[in-house]
Amino acid sequence: DGGITQSPKYLFRKEGQNVTLSCEQNLNHDAMYWYRQDPGQGLRLIYYSQIVNDFQKGDIAEGYSVSREKKESFPLTVTSAQKNPTAFYLCAVGSGTIYEQYFGPGTRLTVT
Amino acid sequence: AQTVTQSQPEMSVQEAETVTLSCTYDTSESDYYLFWYKQPPSRQMILVIRQEAYKQQNATENRFSVNFQKAAKSFSLKISDSQLGDAAMYFCAYRSARGFGNEKLTFGTGTRLTIIP
Repeated sequence: DGGITQSPKYLFRKEGQNVTLSCEQNLNHDAMYWYRQDPGQGLRLIYYSQIVNDFQKGDIAEGYSVSREKKESFPLTVTSAQKNPTAFYLCAVGSGTIYEQYFGPGTRLTVT
Repeated sequence: AQTVTQSQPEMSVQEAETVTLSCTYDTSESDYYLFWYKQPPSRQMILVIRQEAYKQQNATENRFSVNFQKAAKSFSLKISDSQLGDAAMYFCAYRSARGFGNEKLTFGTGTRLTIIP
């Protein structure tokens, strides 16, 4: 079974706790991305990584952190510094040789 | 910075009819890519169609086609023979063609399409 997996589908956390969202791909794409989706808004880029051990901030990186130790994996940590963490988070993959990005199924994070 | 605008928050169409979703964008670049993504209730983002700015010919994928007007910075999506499965949020997205480090997708705010049986 191939593609992009994100786990879990739904995640609940208490305010003040860090939480890590998983994104795994077996499509052998170099680039991976994290987007956030809020109601009434389009997707906004949090972080992206074009190669292993390298990543760049997107438009709304504050309160988030990432790592890219393996090509297949790009986990996102939502820290307690993120003021409004409740949102739908989407992971995507791409490469320099294709123009579009392909998305995982997403994780709905609720922080109370 | 590039911006993408979708001015129709909601649209509806009768099943089997044709509907057009609007998208405009702002950029100072001459080479870029444009996309339409579909997000059904499952919330999975699905690529519908893409257009390269250097191509004058409008892209077509089965019942989906675009009207790309580069000078007007307009990129509308036409859905022909609408089906119940087309009901979804549709997002227009822009990507620079400048290469490495410029692969970010900039999204519009979406249009919710309802299909009336």
